[in-house]
Amino acid sequence: DIQMTQSPSSLSASVGDRVTITCQASQDISKYLNWYQQKPGKVPKLLIYDASNLETGVPSRFSGSRSGTDFTFTISSLQPEDIATYYCQQYDNLPPRLTFGGGTKVEIK
Amino acid sequence: QVQLVESGGGVVQPGRSLRLSCAASGFTFSSYGMHWVRQAPGKGLEWVAVISYDGSNKYYADSVKGRFTISRDNSKNTLFLQMHTLRAEDTAVYHCAKVRDSAFTYDAFDMWGQGTMVTVSS
Repeated sequence: DIQMTQSPSSLSASVGDRVTITCQASQDISKYLNWYQQKPGKVPKLLIYDASNLETGVPSRFSGSRSGTDFTFTISSLQPEDIATYYCQQYDNLPPRLTFGGGTKVEIK
Repeated sequence: QVQLVESGGGVVQPGRSLRLSCAASGFTFSSYGMHWVRQAPGKGLEWVAVISYDGSNKYYADSVKGRFTISRDNSKNTLFLQMHTLRAEDTAVYHCAKVRDSAFTYDAFDMWGQGTMVTVSS
């Protein structure tokens, strides 16, 4: 089974800071890695799909990238409304299954 | 407007059964793979099961395999999750989710329902 390691589990940053979250896959998953934002009491919202594609309507301060089995999610300038938990998600076909990372709770310093 | 509305949750004793439903609207339900994802109180997201657009393929997380069954009725735009032999660790909010691209059973989820709470307790 493919393991996903998401880090850090939490972070505190100031408004305007650049924030980076990583997910590392235990083996090659190609580009099949997505990022979600979940605000308290709300359902998850898709931000980035296939490693680097910005979902329609999502602000451009959010971005994603891939280097081999390492995936990076970036908020270029943290805003107060970005307070949330962020999850990576991967899927593979052999066997067919889907895995979420453990989540990263982002707070304002 | 795309909408997913779950129902059927509640409090149930360990070992009992429960059936969840997810009513879909605003898109061609019969063209999309659908998933169930759960979230235990204060915990992260856990994928539960997937069903292909036509119901011909179904897969489950190891934690529910043999106890849960996913199904769909495309004539009624409804997704189901039949849960048997429930355990305390199944306590969670259960969400149905729609894949972004109808060409793929496995894909990012661009729409989630609000969820229905299942509590397994004696």
